[in-house]
Amino acid sequence: AQSVTQLDSQVPVFEEAPVELRCNYSSSVSVYLFWYVQYPNQGLQLLLKYLSGSTLVESINGFEAEFNKSQTSFHLRKPSVHISDTAEYFCAVSDTGFQKLVFGTGTRLLVSP
Amino acid sequence: ETGVTQTPRHLVMGMTNKKSLKCEQHLGHNAMYWYKQSAKKPLELMFVYSLEERVENNSVPSRFSPECPNSSHLFLHLHTLQPEDSALYLCASSQETGGGTEAFFGQGTRLTVV
Repeated sequence: AQSVTQLDSQVPVFEEAPVELRCNYSSSVSVYLFWYVQYPNQGLQLLLKYLSGSTLVESINGFEAEFNKSQTSFHLRKPSVHISDTAEYFCAVSDTGFQKLVFGTGTRLLVSP
Repeated sequence: ETGVTQTPRHLVMGMTNKKSLKCEQHLGHNAMYWYKQSAKKPLELMFVYSLEERVENNSVPSRFSPECPNSSHLFLHLHTLQPEDSALYLCASSQETGGGTEAFFGQGTRLTVV
């Protein structure tokens, strides 16, 4: 069975500082990996995903994540955060398709001035 | 606007009430999903519909009853709920259920059972 671990429930950072949100997964087969973001009172939005190919994937708003098969990780990073990045971030894994998507418990990113 | 609309946004109901949650997608997708989001817990997949046929039911109690009359609409009928059913219920849709498919989520219905 697949599982996703997000060790940090909350990450406070100052504006313009770098941030890393950690995600580790367990699976016995090849996987697809996702990061979703949830802003207050909103549904989830896809931030970025890894399906195959380059292990480094980027989003349009400056986030990036790197798939590391040996460490079974898919950490999310941003070199300089903005106040507007305050949200909850969910890592998810799937092997056979979306209906089997398994989510982590989420990490709340709190960006302060 | 994500293209997936859920109504109502907030719902308070007693344990003996019957209510329904509605989800509508305007994206032309052929798969729709219900998720439950509780505090401090991972999102739980409840039901999956593909081409209006239920393809997944993750051991959800019978007090939750889904309905998918067409590919654009999805309902979740609720009856005799328990306080522990209080949560954010999220609807999502995708073009297909295949691997790597992006899902689009609605804003959710915040349900409180009293």
